[in-house]
Amino acid sequence: NAGVTQTPKFQVLKTGQSMTLQCAQDMNHEYMSWYRQDPGMGLRLIHYSVGAGITDQGEVPNGYNVSRSTTEDFPLRLLSAAPSQTSVYFCASQRSPGQETQYFGPGTRLLVL
Amino acid sequence: AQTVTQSQPEMSVQEAETVTLSCTYDTSENNYYLFWYKQPPSRQMILVIRQEAYKQQNATENRFSVNFQKAAKSFSLKISDSQLGDTAMYFCAFMKVQGAQKLVFGQGTRLTINP
Repeated sequence: NAGVTQTPKFQVLKTGQSMTLQCAQDMNHEYMSWYRQDPGMGLRLIHYSVGAGITDQGEVPNGYNVSRSTTEDFPLRLLSAAPSQTSVYFCASQRSPGQETQYFGPGTRLLVL
Repeated sequence: AQTVTQSQPEMSVQEAETVTLSCTYDTSENNYYLFWYKQPPSRQMILVIRQEAYKQQNATENRFSVNFQKAAKSFSLKISDSQLGDTAMYFCAFMKVQGAQKLVFGQGTRLTINP
């Protein structure tokens, strides 16, 4: 049981490039989410999904797209990277809405030049 | 909207001492969860302890305990017999029971345990 996994661990992008941050969980959790963590701040919610085929925006969704075609995977896409998207990105999952504990992946550090 | 405030950006104590981290929150919800997460230098977010708002009894997990004051909207974390491995950022977080399961985080407290 690997829990929540994220790839890559670290990525450098140039402004305007696109990329996909991968997130997978093997716990059959319905709920998955993406957060970003900027220096000196707590995590902020980008997008979330309550099940396959269902996604919604969080607090800071601009510049990011998500999709949820399977229960296991929840990729985060940056369509045109900007320096303001330099951050550490965390994926989290939760058994179902109302099941209170969210489990986090190890994070992806992204640097946009 | 919910907000979470941690008023202590940094704290430092000696090993084996007891330390208390403060957290206050603002919400109009009656049913919710509160959490403390630990983030060591590895950046992994590790759940330390959670509290259900409907429970009056304070949660405890080994050396970690909370003081939950619902009326005052206060949720402090007490670490007893602190250890070097407790050195980390600590985040307080809030989540509603109903609706989207969004964690709202405070800004964090950097805790250093000195030998």
